[in-house]
Amino acid sequence: GQQVMQIPQYQHVQEGEDFTTYCNSSTTLSNIQWYKQRPGGHPVFLIQLVKSGEVKKQKRLTFQFGEAKKNSSLHITATQTTDVGTYFCAGTMYSGGGADGLTFGKGTHLIIQP
Amino acid sequence: GAGVSQSPRYKVAKRGQDVALRCDPISGHVSLFWYQQALGQGPEFLTYFQNEAQLDKSGLPSDRFFAERPEGSVSTLKIQRTQQEDSAVYLCASSSRSGVEKLFFGSGTQLSVL
Repeated sequence: GQQVMQIPQYQHVQEGEDFTTYCNSSTTLSNIQWYKQRPGGHPVFLIQLVKSGEVKKQKRLTFQFGEAKKNSSLHITATQTTDVGTYFCAGTMYSGGGADGLTFGKGTHLIIQP
Repeated sequence: GAGVSQSPRYKVAKRGQDVALRCDPISGHVSLFWYQQALGQGPEFLTYFQNEAQLDKSGLPSDRFFAERPEGSVSTLKIQRTQQEDSAVYLCASSSRSGVEKLFFGSGTQLSVL
């Protein structure tokens, strides 16, 4: 079936180091969204990418959407303890994905060691 | 309201019991989604409403799961004859329009079936 894969599943970094999570889809995506979920919390929207090759920045966060619209990445520069949480990508498939519903990846758990 | 509200926050049920989970979306939001999130996993799509119409229920795991949104606002997810594998966090999300928009998630209902 339609899948969105994320790697790595877990990432341990020292505070101040950079962090990247990667998202790959088995089918072409019409768009991709990124969410952050703090421990014990609920997913919170970060950004949406729509265009092929699109790059967006939010302070220390950089989001990219691949040229083929099948992959995406989130890069955090100089991580801080407030960045702790699970980062999910979620894509909408051209062929469906649940009537405008998003297909979520399993997430990357970011653990930061002070 | 200020955000998406879900109740109860926690629910413990004995196997075989019926449960009803409530979601009160942001006022005026057209789209409403239910997701199931197992521990350490990403949200899995269950069903989608546009106003009162249930446009997609392809993610409901079995006919024991039923969702409704009769007046296009509050929604209820009902699970009949609960089983242990139903234990998860059930997340409700709403968005302001139909189509792909950023989702606003509630805090979820954590269901434990004993």
